[in-house]
Amino acid sequence: AQTVTQSQPEMSVQEAETVTLSCTYDTSESNYYLFWYKQPPSRQMILVIRQEAYKQQNATENRFSVNFQKAAKSFSLKISDSQLGDTAMYFCAFMIPPNQGAQKLVFGQGTRLTINP
Amino acid sequence: GAGVSQSPSNKVTEKGKDVELRCDPISGHTALYWYRQSLGQGLEFLIYFQGNSAPDKSGLPSDRFSAERTGGSVSTLTIQRTQQEDSAVYLCASTHGRGSYGYTFGSGTRLTVV
Repeated sequence: AQTVTQSQPEMSVQEAETVTLSCTYDTSESNYYLFWYKQPPSRQMILVIRQEAYKQQNATENRFSVNFQKAAKSFSLKISDSQLGDTAMYFCAFMIPPNQGAQKLVFGQGTRLTINP
Repeated sequence: GAGVSQSPSNKVTEKGKDVELRCDPISGHTALYWYRQSLGQGLEFLIYFQGNSAPDKSGLPSDRFSAERTGGSVSTLTIQRTQQEDSAVYLCASTHGRGSYGYTFGSGTRLTVV
């Protein structure tokens, strides 16, 4: 079974600092996708960034970037110049795309990130 | 609509009652997923609808849970004879294709069984 582990239940940084959230996963598959989702108090899960396992280049989206280490099965999220609006739960998620049928997400337990003014 | 809409936002029900949770996906999205988010179990897949195909119900925790999707659009998740362990946030998501580009989630329904 595939598992996703987020080892940091909570993190707190000052506004404008850089913060890195850790995620490791376990799979024997070679083709998969990795995601980071953000869940603010509104409860809506918002896609932050996506990485395809067969791409060596790390994905970036504005202030958000990942460090994807396939051999180590590690997928960390770096948030640069953190803002108060980044305060949320962050979930790492993993997806193995079957040839047909549901493409299910397997989520980690989440990291609660607080950005302090 | 512009986003995935779920109703009600919050629902408190008595143990043993039936509840219906509604999801209105983004127009044109063929795939629809339900997930449950609970304190003890984290986020779990419940059910998947894709167009007119038979749904993937492999994540439904018991036969008290059922779901339907009418006309390839709105979906209803029904929980019969609710139990306290059913208390959770129920999240709906929709997507183009099957989901490898990531889903668009709604804001969920928080269900509390008392």
